[in-house]
Amino acid sequence: IAGITQAPTSQILAAGRRMTLRCTQDMRHNAMYWYRQDLGLGLRLIHYSNTAGTTGKGEVPDGYSVSRANTDDFPLTLASAVPSQTSVYFCASSGGETHNEQFFGPGTRLTVL
Amino acid sequence: GQNIDQPTEMTATEGAIVQINCTYQTSGFNGLFWYQQHAGEAPTFLSYNVLDGLEEKGRFSSFLSRSKGYSYLLLKELQMKDSASYLCAVRDSNYQLIWGAGTKLIIKP
Repeated sequence: IAGITQAPTSQILAAGRRMTLRCTQDMRHNAMYWYRQDLGLGLRLIHYSNTAGTTGKGEVPDGYSVSRANTDDFPLTLASAVPSQTSVYFCASSGGETHNEQFFGPGTRLTVL
Repeated sequence: GQNIDQPTEMTATEGAIVQINCTYQTSGFNGLFWYQQHAGEAPTFLSYNVLDGLEEKGRFSSFLSRSKGYSYLLLKELQMKDSASYLCAVRDSNYQLIWGAGTKLIIKP
């Protein structure tokens, strides 16, 4: 692994189903983030974690949950998917670099029908 | 509320110079970032400004005026591969990034 990986790359999901998006980083970054990106809108923060064992709510947390059991993994769960959750989801991490800039995974394209 | 404004789309010619502006109103300021995002890909870090002035990095430069809530990204000697979206983001008082919607830059030969 080099950097951040996300799985799956894309997914089509029926409304009402449960779905977990996976995110793993190997940079030993303390902070991790989940964003969604929709056309015409900026990246919007869903949830974040400043360090393993802690999580916080971002701008649009409703309908999503996260956990941070260890430094490397930060899964995002949609308990009961709805069509408005159709989006591209990016996981990011930061920590240690000069400006504490965020590094992004390749994204998961999710379609909820 | 917090707000970041940037033009939706810009067009420029290969070899030319283009300036992408960003204005912001945020609760606190702990730095401004520019990211590049090619279609279908993840954003990648370009530049960071926390003090007023110009930061130069090769063909790319970024300027910040904190008193005006204003930044720009300057791209010189444009190449076709510079066709992408450019995202402005401000780190607020809670150390979270607030993102603009991005500027889609189209480079024409």
